[in-house]
Amino acid sequence: DTEVTQTPKHLVMGMTNKKSLKCEQHMGHRAMYWYKQKAKKPPELMFVYSYEKLSINESVPSRFSPECPNSSLLNLHLHALQPEDSALYLCASSQDKWSGGARDEQFFGPGTRLTVL
Amino acid sequence: QKEVEQNSGPLSVPEGAIASLNCTYSDRGSQSFFWYRQYSGKSPELIMFIYSNGDKEDGRFTAQLNKASQYVSLLIRDSQPSDSATYLCAVNNQAGTALIFGKGTTLSVSS
Repeated sequence: DTEVTQTPKHLVMGMTNKKSLKCEQHMGHRAMYWYKQKAKKPPELMFVYSYEKLSINESVPSRFSPECPNSSLLNLHLHALQPEDSALYLCASSQDKWSGGARDEQFFGPGTRLTVL
Repeated sequence: QKEVEQNSGPLSVPEGAIASLNCTYSDRGSQSFFWYRQYSGKSPELIMFIYSNGDKEDGRFTAQLNKASQYVSLLIRDSQPSDSATYLCAVNNQAGTALIFGKGTTLSVSS
């Protein structure tokens, strides 16, 4: 079962709102990722969690705050977003990126389409 | 700046033909190479991965890797209209800490 689930599918929020995106996987993967994708562009890496610890933050503004409560769950907390943050937010997971030679194929969830008004 | 280059297309092929998508990468230390298919409005779907030089076949798909030339390709045999999508080439950086994506090639298969 190579399934990553994300909720909600769509989210519309104002610039003063606080909301959260959720991601879940039950494949036993130990690395989880948040990406942002604008129309007709490739995904851009935002954050990487490995063994529930934040290992990469690609200079993302502090209005995006990730959280990994356990090995299956990944959240992205949103606060004071700007209209230019409107995009498809993708969660992905992979088996284990730190053991060298391990399978590191990343599987993406369906995404959350975010619109900031 | 490590880069992955793809021809943006559109690449147009008739139904039943072979579609050939190409990708070059700049990080000579990259070890893992992936092809994702993305339909409009959907998320990327992993369709092929390759780690060693040579060819890897899975059904109608063949991935080819040439590390000396820093070149990866994807062949789709007997192309179907349902193959019409954007194909993203992705490469792991040398540290294995992140995927670097190309901008994608749009494939259109006409019936």
